[in-house]
Amino acid sequence: AQKITQTQPGMFVQEKEAVTLDCTYDTSDQSYGLFWYKQPSSGEMIFLIYQGSYDEQNATEGRYSLNFQKARKSANLVISASQLGDSAMYFCAMRESPNTGNQFYFGTGTSLTVIP
Amino acid sequence: ETGVTQTPRHLVMGMTNKKSLKCEQHLGHNAMYWYKQSAKKPLELMFVYSLEERVENNSVPSRFSPECPNSSHLFLHLHTLQPEDSALYLCASSQDRTDIYGYTFGSGTRLTVV
Repeated sequence: AQKITQTQPGMFVQEKEAVTLDCTYDTSDQSYGLFWYKQPSSGEMIFLIYQGSYDEQNATEGRYSLNFQKARKSANLVISASQLGDSAMYFCAMRESPNTGNQFYFGTGTSLTVIP
Repeated sequence: ETGVTQTPRHLVMGMTNKKSLKCEQHLGHNAMYWYKQSAKKPLELMFVYSLEERVENNSVPSRFSPECPNSSHLFLHLHTLQPEDSALYLCASSQDRTDIYGYTFGSGTRLTVV
């Protein structure tokens, strides 16, 4: 079974609007971390935001926020006030049992296009 | 120069060629990783090096051969590749293998096997 599922291959959003990118995950671990990365056309994976499984509050980093619903195993990324530079691929990732150095599991990504 | 640098950015090679991908980090990190990114597939972890020692090899075919001569450099040696090996190869580093936050990726090498 897929550890990370991103069901939106492509999304469009009007500039200055907010957009939600969906991510669901599958784990039986109690301790895990959830991540979102942005990959522009240059190829580099840029870390955006992190949510720990024990964090009670949703993570926020500037215009990025993570809508963490633990019972539903979802970790959606919300981008507020979209900008043209937000056009990129977005990957959701999970790390199980962070303290044992396990690998990341990545989703297939969502391509976001911001329309002027 | 800071961050993780990968060279070359693009590589086209024939199936009988031998080439190498290079990754360099100046972050003082002790763990380095090779990932393969194919279209419409999740990133696949290929190799993990911690303190220059290979600690993980995720069932990667022997036509991919990694080398980590020191903590700042990581190579991926390629020989007799197949067309299905065409992909973006990403290098990443972190302070150590348990570092949650500090995964830094390079920009990747776009490999095309003809």
